[in-house]
Amino acid sequence: KAGVTQTPRYLIKTRGQQVTLSCSPISGHRSVSWYQQTPGQGLQFLFEYFSETQRNKGNFPGRFSGRQFSNSRSEMNVSTLELGDSALYLCASSKSGGVYEQYFGPGTRLTVT
Amino acid sequence: SQQGEEDPQALSIQEGENATMNCSYKTSINNLQWYRQNSGRGLVHLILIRSNEREKHSGRLRVTLDTSKKSSSLLITASRAADTASYFCATGFTGGGNKLTFGTGTQLKVEL
Repeated sequence: KAGVTQTPRYLIKTRGQQVTLSCSPISGHRSVSWYQQTPGQGLQFLFEYFSETQRNKGNFPGRFSGRQFSNSRSEMNVSTLELGDSALYLCASSKSGGVYEQYFGPGTRLTVT
Repeated sequence: SQQGEEDPQALSIQEGENATMNCSYKTSINNLQWYRQNSGRGLVHLILIRSNEREKHSGRLRVTLDTSKKSSSLLITASRAADTASYFCATGFTGGGNKLTFGTGTQLKVEL
């Protein structure tokens, strides 16, 4: 079974620009979650999507948004990038309807200059 | 903000020794999971333990959970150099869907 894939793997953007990151979950998984990892704040939950609906949201500004498509693929968007948005963005997929482990992708390393 | 704290922050041991990492959390949970991360890459799932379980094993890994103390521990027996990584505990709660709140992590270094 193919794992979780994320594209692109690396990205360099300028302050004020916007960026879209993509995540393809494991086949059959309908839940996709996004996390931000930085040296200062650690791993923080951004949001979770299930059946094309946002089910949970973390404590991030509205510049961070996401969506999920009918094939469970998900995208997250960050608008008006700030230097502090530089981070590793991780996507995780999981079954849903109970307590399940999450499978993480390799991440997208975003650098904002 | 981080839900949990992990102890120690860093641990250095010799190959063959056992490594123990501890995790404490603040609120009620329905599950706790341990993950490994190598050099800023994606996280690898190790073990999931539910709140009604006290202990789980997987190969060289043993996880305990004490909900009365809001703490968990991960024991890696007979460590290998390949176990060098950061280890994170993560908690989930009822009604939280698949949202996980991660601890601060323990950096483990296993030396030959």
